[in-house]
Amino acid sequence: EDQVTQSPEALRLQEGESSSLNCSYTVSGLRGLFWYRQDPGKGPEFLFTLYSAGEEKEKERLKATLTKKESFLHITAPKPEDSATYLCAVQAWAASGGYNKLIFGAGTRLAVHP
Amino acid sequence: EAGVAQSPRYKIIEKRQSVAFWCNPISGHATLYWYQQILGQGPKLLIQFQNNGVVDDSQLPKDRFSAERLKGVDSTLKIQPAKLEDSAVYLCASSLGGDNEQFFGPGTRLTVL
Repeated sequence: EDQVTQSPEALRLQEGESSSLNCSYTVSGLRGLFWYRQDPGKGPEFLFTLYSAGEEKEKERLKATLTKKESFLHITAPKPEDSATYLCAVQAWAASGGYNKLIFGAGTRLAVHP
Repeated sequence: EAGVAQSPRYKIIEKRQSVAFWCNPISGHATLYWYQQILGQGPKLLIQFQNNGVVDDSQLPKDRFSAERLKGVDSTLKIQPAKLEDSAVYLCASSLGGDNEQFFGPGTRLTVL
């Protein structure tokens, strides 16, 4: 069964204190790994898609990396506006062809304090 | 570009009552999704439409939940009768196709008392 585990559940950082969020996954045939940001009272906002081990993508202070078993979201010199819940999701290839639905992790709640 | 619209934003009902949620996807998006997000958890797919056909409804509790997408555009999700455990945020998302990034609406927060 496809599974996604995110750690830590919550993370408190001081402004400028870099850190990483982890997403470990078990999936039979990974098509893609997705990172989303979710602010309170809002729907998830797409950040990145990673397709193969070794791939990296960057956006402002965020960089996502992918290995065969996990993905990391690195946050460099975070600011208070980076405070949000970060969700990881995987999508597997379907045995019958095509691809399966997104399976989301529970997320990491990030709080960045000035 | 207008985003995914959902209404209502909040709904409070008693258990055993019925409720309906509405979603208008981004114009031109063929694929529409309904997710359930329980507090502290990630979204869980309830149903996926490709145009007005159902692609995946394997996790939809069909004894109480129903959904339709008329004319391949707007969609409604209904719960009848509601249970306490249905309290959650119901998110609608759309994408150009099933393998494109999904854009989410703001969600409807349902509280069942």
